[in-house]
Amino acid sequence: DAGVIQSPRHEVTEMGQEVTLRCKPISGHDYLFWYRQTMMRGLELLIYFNNNVPIDDSGMPEDRFSAKMPNASFSTLKIQPSEPRDSAVYFCASKLRGGETEAFFGQGTRLTVV
Amino acid sequence: GQQVMQIPQYQHVQEGEDFTTYCNSSTTLSNIQWYKQRPGGHPVFLIQLVKSGEVKKQKRLTFQFGEAKKNSSLHITATQTTDVGTYFCAGRGIKAAGNKLTFGGGTRVLVKP
Repeated sequence: DAGVIQSPRHEVTEMGQEVTLRCKPISGHDYLFWYRQTMMRGLELLIYFNNNVPIDDSGMPEDRFSAKMPNASFSTLKIQPSEPRDSAVYFCASKLRGGETEAFFGQGTRLTVV
Repeated sequence: GQQVMQIPQYQHVQEGEDFTTYCNSSTTLSNIQWYKQRPGGHPVFLIQLVKSGEVKKQKRLTFQFGEAKKNSSLHITATQTTDVGTYFCAGRGIKAAGNKLTFGGGTRVLVKP
């Protein structure tokens, strides 16, 4: 398996533009997580899905952020409109069912909003 | 909500020396996981601890889960330059819904050759 695949790897956009980050989890994994990493706030859980259903989105910073998982092999995280403070590395991770299984992270998308 | 704290935030280590990083949770954990993130990379799973007082070793790394299941430590002996990176602990509270893992802030390790 190729692991968790994220695209794009890097994104530079202007403030106010819409940004869409994409993630393909490992085949067969039941859970998908979106994290945001910054120097100031560390690794923050934004939202996670179980069998394509959003379970906990309490970490989503505000209404400008939205996430979808239309099927078991694809998820998107959208920011509209983007702001400079959204600049961060966004990671997607997936795992099998069960509280004691490990999470596999993608390579991340480095987002810069100018 | 559940909080996971790690200390120290930064650790400068002379090559060959030992060091320990600590992880403390505000609530009792059902399990704790450790991850390592190399500079510019993504977090990679190292190990999981489940039982109270559990100790596990991976070569020069020793992981321990506290008796009360609210803290954990990672001890590295004879540090090497390959140990450079940020080490995260991540805990799942016993009352946490689903599979929500809360990550600590990480300990960033720099090794002086």
